[in-house]
Amino acid sequence: DAGITQSPRHKVTETGTPVTLRCHQTENHRYMYWYRQDPGHGLRLIHYSYGVKDTDKGEVSDGYSVSRSKTEDFLLTLESATSSQTSVYFCAISEAGGVSEQYFGPGTRLTVT
Amino acid sequence: LAKTTQPISMDSYEGQEVNITCSHNNIATNDYITWYQQFPSQGPRFIIQGYKTKVTNEVASLFIPADRKSSTLSLPRVSLSDTAVYYCLVGDDSSNTGKLIFGQGTTLQVKP
Repeated sequence: DAGITQSPRHKVTETGTPVTLRCHQTENHRYMYWYRQDPGHGLRLIHYSYGVKDTDKGEVSDGYSVSRSKTEDFLLTLESATSSQTSVYFCAISEAGGVSEQYFGPGTRLTVT
Repeated sequence: LAKTTQPISMDSYEGQEVNITCSHNNIATNDYITWYQQFPSQGPRFIIQGYKTKVTNEVASLFIPADRKSSTLSLPRVSLSDTAVYYCLVGDDSSNTGKLIFGQGTTLQVKP
């Protein structure tokens, strides 16, 4: 399995608080992605990165920001958590972008009360 | 990115061959077709990818007709452990970003 970890694996937080999720990879892959998965919606791309300090928005980026200061770490921040952001968050990595195989992390289950 | 349509769910029995068809009527010339598998409480896992005709690997085959407006994932002799959600994706390999759009997928239930 690709060396990709997510932390925390589970988190419960209150509405209005900031939350940061971390994705860490040991594969030295250039591309990193954050998805959220909700019943009835499949996986939806939030933000992605195509290099250190190079990031862009996905289809559901409102309320989220990201940072990538080094190759191995990609942080997802919920600036002010809302109940609609309760979801399972997956990080993925890819060596070459395009339609290259993406390797997914184990996921983070976030509950916003 | 081209939109895909696939059945919401399918049932099968152990030992049978399962074929899951995905429709992608507006697929573009540069688009590839990729399938992912997802087990409960895990992230998706790449299964197979193709551009045209037939592709086969150790776990599945992918059949793509000449017009490329659909594709069929074939799983030979399924077992209970193949129970999962299967996603069909269509994406442009000329894109430098790797943005993938996942649909709702097909939930395959394999029964004993």
